[in-house]
Amino acid sequence: KQEVTQIPAALSVPEGENLVLNCSFTDSAIYNLQWFRQDPGKGLTSLLLIQSSQREQTSGRLNASLDKSSGRSTLYIAASQPGDSATYLCAVEGGNKLVFGAGTILRVKS
Amino acid sequence: EAGVTQSPTHLIKTRGQQVTLRCSPISGHTSVYWYQQALGLGLQFLLWYDEGEERNRGNFPPRFSGRQFPNYSSELNVNALELEDSALYLCASSLERNYEQYFGPGTRLTVT
Repeated sequence: KQEVTQIPAALSVPEGENLVLNCSFTDSAIYNLQWFRQDPGKGLTSLLLIQSSQREQTSGRLNASLDKSSGRSTLYIAASQPGDSATYLCAVEGGNKLVFGAGTILRVKS
Repeated sequence: EAGVTQSPTHLIKTRGQQVTLRCSPISGHTSVYWYQQALGLGLQFLLWYDEGEERNRGNFPPRFSGRQFPNYSSELNVNALELEDSALYLCASSLERNYEQYFGPGTRLTVT
């Protein structure tokens, strides 16, 4: 059974800092890995999708890496801004469903 | 291009009642997924529909059911509501199986 763990559970940083969110999964037989952002009480916004054959994806200030063999992914956020404050969720796709981690609650202080 | 839409936005029901939630996928997407996000339990996979058929379901009782229509929209039905069914229900769609999933804004269900 696939299990996804995200570390840390919560993070508070001053504006402008670079930060790394971590995601690990137990079963390396995945099709892809997605990083999402969720604002309080809202749906999910897809940030980055990494196919199982890829090592990383970049979008603006975001960079996500994937090491399938070790079951790890990181989301790097450069020059953080208060608007980045949200819950960040990692999800792996396998067996035609997404399995989510519990998320990292990020607060960027101005 | 319109995203995934869900209705209603909020819903309050009484224990024992039945509820139907609706989802319209992005145009051209044939797969629809339903997830439940209950307080303290995280996001959990409920159901996957593709080409009108239920293809996979998560670890939920049979009173959670649904269907997908010929236009690929979908309904989630929950019978005999229980207090613990209170949650945000999220629908997602993808172009095909194993492709990127795009999520709707969700339906907040409160069972009293």
